[in-house]
Amino acid sequence: KAGVTQTPRYLIKTRGQQVTLSCSPISGHRSVSWYQQTPGQGLQFLFEYFSETQRNKGNFPGRFSGRQFSNSRSEMNVSTLELGDSALYLCASSLRGTDKQETQYFGPGTRLLVL
Amino acid sequence: QKEVEQDPGPLSVPEGAIVSLNCTYSNSAFQYFMWYRQYSRKGPELLMYTYSSGNKEDGRFTAQVDKSSKYISLFIRDSQPSDSATYLCAMMGGGGSNYKLTFGKGTLLTVNP
Repeated sequence: KAGVTQTPRYLIKTRGQQVTLSCSPISGHRSVSWYQQTPGQGLQFLFEYFSETQRNKGNFPGRFSGRQFSNSRSEMNVSTLELGDSALYLCASSLRGTDKQETQYFGPGTRLLVL
Repeated sequence: QKEVEQDPGPLSVPEGAIVSLNCTYSNSAFQYFMWYRQYSRKGPELLMYTYSSGNKEDGRFTAQVDKSSKYISLFIRDSQPSDSATYLCAMMGGGGSNYKLTFGKGTLLTVNP
């Protein structure tokens, strides 16, 4: 079974631009979560989608948004990019995203550099 | 106070050593505890998943949870150079919508041949 895939793997943008990242979960997984990883803050939860609905959201500004499609694929968008948005953006999928001994499987991430 | 504290290291050990990695947490709602391993330029991969207090063993890896002290550990026996990676502890609460993972910052481990 194929793992979680993320595209693109690397991205360079300039301040003020916007960016869209894509995530394809493991086949059959319906929950997709997004995380931001930086050296200073570590891995931080952005949001989680299940059945095309955002179920949970972390403490990030409204410039960070996402959506999920009917095939469970998800995208996240960052508008008005800031230098501090440079990070590795990780997507993780799980079957239902419940708290009943369910594990999350991570993709390789998209490394975003904002200049 | 951060919800999860983890010593970032770096930690350098000789091959064959026993490695001990630790995290403390403050949120009593955390019920599920995980250890992830992350190689350079890769996404985290799940190593161990525990629910209750006590020990769980899987090959050379042992995860230990002490809920009364809010302390979790990962032990690696007979460490190998291939174990060189960043180890992240992660926790998840129970009930409602609290199933997001909260991570420690990770400990960078280097096992020297």
